[in-house]
Formats: sequence, structure tokens, C-alpha cells
Amino acid sequence: DSGVTQTPKHLITATGQRVTLRCSPRSGDLSVYWYQQSLDQGLQFLIHYYNGEERAKGNILERFSAQQFPDLHSELNLSSLELGDSALYFCASSPHVPGPSYGYTFGSGTRLTVV
Amino acid sequence: TQLLEQSPQFLSIQEGENLTVYCNSSSVFSSLQWYRQEPGEGPVLLVTVVTGGEVKKLKRLTFQFGDARKDSSLHITAAQPGDTGLYLCAGEASGTYKYIFGTGTRLKVLA
Repeated sequence: DSGVTQTPKHLITATGQRVTLRCSPRSGDLSVYWYQQSLDQGLQFLIHYYNGEERAKGNILERFSAQQFPDLHSELNLSSLELGDSALYFCASSPHVPGPSYGYTFGSGTRLTVV
Repeated sequence: TQLLEQSPQFLSIQEGENLTVYCNSSSVFSSLQWYRQEPGEGPVLLVTVVTGGEVKKLKRLTFQFGDARKDSSLHITAAQPGDTGLYLCAGEASGTYKYIFGTGTRLKVLA
């Protein structure tokens, strides 16, 4: 158990629908990151939140949004789902310390299948 | 756009052989990490390298950070089937807050 909890583990939904993925970071970590992993694209950075505020955006579609709540858990909302959104979605967390990054702790992911 | 290119993309070797995986970029990174990912699981952090020229050893794995902090390598000695997995380098180019992953090297070690 990495300490980062993602729910649900699997999700099957139809095109056009909306889903919410949830992430609880490791205790004490203030930063949460979301990644999308598909077979042909590798791990793509979506968005980074630090202590409730958006810090950086990657290749996140306008149909996707995220937020980090006061208790530091985060949710990734995916709407108007398309077949191509089928992928593994990972959440990662890290503490905030000045200086270079020392890496992230990943959850076990949510596998989204859009049919 | 900062990119981390890994090579080779795929590697299939026999148990006991040695191998090296490379991670290259045109950008300078304040640190680089290496992860291993098993199917259906999240990446697991193996090591962080911070100082240019730094070498770190983790049992049969040796990690090196380039002098200019633009590249890194992972060398595995006497590979075992348990080393099979997807190896990823990753880092945050200075001042971007965007933590990016390399293109990945999929390693298969045959018994």
C-alpha cells in the first residue's frame, strides 16, 4: 500500500457520460498530480494541485476538470466522455519541500473504459 | 515542450545478461527519478539523482546522472525475471511545476 488511495479501481461507462475519479494523497503530502496513461501515449501529465490551488496544467482537455479540497483529497471530473478517453488514470502525491523533486508516490490507478 | 526520450523502447534479454537504459533530454533537470511499473499498477519510485555526475547503486541496479543534468542511465547487472517491467525516467524541468515522464522502456527478462 503506497498510501495514495484512488477510487474506484474500475469504471465502465457509456460515451457522453460524466464520471468523477477520487484521490486521497499520502498523509502529510500537500501536492496532488493527475496523469493519464494509455497504450500509445505513455504517462501524460494532466494537472497539479498544491494545497488546494492549481499549480500547473498539462495536456488536460477542456472536458476534464479537477479540484483539491480543504482536506487535500482531489477529484478529477471527466465529462462528455469519448471512446478515446479510455485509459488508466493515476493520481500521485508529494510533500512540498524547497529544492529539487525527490519523486512522487502513486496510487494504483482507476481504469476507465468508455463503451 | 520538455521531453524525456528513453531508449531502447523495448528490450528482451536472457536471465543473467546485463543491460543499460538511457534517458535523454535537451532540458536541464534539477533532479531525475527512475520508476518501475508493473501492469495495472502505478509506477514505483526506485531512485532519485540530483547532482550532475552522481552515481547511485541499488543492489544490481546502477543509476547515473549526466554531468550537465540533461540525461541519465540505468544499468542492470545479471538481470533476473523479477526485473521485468516498464522502466520510466521522470523529472521536473526547473521552474515549470510540470513533472513529466519519459517515453518508457519495456523490459522482459526470460528465464
